[in-house]
Amino acid sequence: DAGVIQSPRHEVTEMGQEVTLRCKPISGHDYLFWYRQTMMRGLELLIYFNNNVPIDDSGMPEDRFSAKMPNASFSTLKIQPSEPRDSAVYFCASSLGVRTEAFFGQGTRLTVV
Amino acid sequence: GEDVEQSLFLSVREGDSSVINCTYTDSSSTYLYWYKQEPGAGLQLLTYIFSNMDMKQDQRLTVLLNKKDKHLSLRIADTQTGDSAIYFCAEGKGGGSQGNLIFGKGTKLSVKP
Repeated sequence: DAGVIQSPRHEVTEMGQEVTLRCKPISGHDYLFWYRQTMMRGLELLIYFNNNVPIDDSGMPEDRFSAKMPNASFSTLKIQPSEPRDSAVYFCASSLGVRTEAFFGQGTRLTVV
Repeated sequence: GEDVEQSLFLSVREGDSSVINCTYTDSSSTYLYWYKQEPGAGLQLLTYIFSNMDMKQDQRLTVLLNKKDKHLSLRIADTQTGDSAIYFCAEGKGGGSQGNLIFGKGTKLSVKP
């Protein structure tokens, strides 16, 4: 398996624009996580899904952020409208079951200017 | 509240041992983890320890857990230049999936030849 695949690797956008980050988890994994990494706050869990259902979205910062998982092999994190303070590296991770290792993707570096 | 603290920087000479320390707050954490992040890459699980253990050794890595003081450490023996990276301590959040983690801000390990 190629691992967790995120796209794009880099995204530069203007303030106010909609941004969509994509993630393909490892095939067969039933948990999917979205994290955000910034210098100030480190790594924060935004939301996670189990069997495509959002379980905990308490880390989603604002209503401007939304995440979906329409099927077991695809998830999106959308920011609308984007703001400069959303600039960060966004990681997606997946795991199989409750007690197994979470594998991380390479991340998407988002810059909002 | 939930918090994981670790020092931000550590510099060692090649061949020496590195010790990275971490404190956490949630005494109910079942698992504690060490992740490694190389520049421009995602996070890689290095090792983890179950909360009822005091020590775990895996080749050059030794994890020590002092549950009373909520202190976790990672020792890397015979540190190599390839070990230069950021090391994250993380605790499992409640009883949920292993991917539902609270991370420290990371310790940047620099290994000098």
